[in-house]
Amino acid sequence: DAKTTQPTSMDCAEGRAANLPCNHSTISGNEYVYWYRQIHSQGPQYIIHGLKNNETNEMASLIITEDRKSSTLILPHATLRDTAVYYCIVRVAGAGGTSYGKLTFGQGTILTVHP
Amino acid sequence: NAGVTQTPKFRVLKTGQSMTLLCAQDMNHEYMYWYRQDPGMGLRLIHYSVGEGTTAKGEVPDGYNVSRLKKQNFLLGLESAAPSQTSVYFCASSSPVRVGNTEAFFGQGTRLTVV
Repeated sequence: DAKTTQPTSMDCAEGRAANLPCNHSTISGNEYVYWYRQIHSQGPQYIIHGLKNNETNEMASLIITEDRKSSTLILPHATLRDTAVYYCIVRVAGAGGTSYGKLTFGQGTILTVHP
Repeated sequence: NAGVTQTPKFRVLKTGQSMTLLCAQDMNHEYMYWYRQDPGMGLRLIHYSVGEGTTAKGEVPDGYNVSRLKKQNFLLGLESAAPSQTSVYFCASSSPVRVGNTEAFFGQGTRLTVV
């Protein structure tokens, strides 16, 4: 799985958009970008994933650059409850094959949303 | 829908004692995982299972054993606990049938202290 690089920490004002970057310059053509978050030592929670097109769901948007070497997770209207550690993970698609859905976590980005 | 349930939530062990952590999922997932998380670090994979009766080593398997006798349960055992095994343990499950999406569901964690 490709290695990712994320800033250690970021701040965001409540109600503003939070933009969390991730670099994955060694990503392979069959690897997806996944985002998980972990709120206050709870179990990680899936947010969103994508291959090369921008993706949006009820939680967030994912913007992947054309060369796929970096991506940005966007929380459009951050709330205090979005304060968490955000993990960017790059891995092959699907749960099958030799990957078996295993996840490799880095240290992530600590996002603090303040009033 | 309970999702992934871990028991116990907290435990204090003396060095050399043994214990078993239980993980149960009600989503009929084929794949299950045990991760550990040390302070300030991301999660690391201990062992995983791709189906009933099968187990495999992850990144940090030493000092742990696992069993998957029933599809819905995945047990993590510590035969002789050591202070280095003080950590928060997370169980997760996922399904191999959702192509392109290996969303993993995590339990709430077991906080283990070995003194």
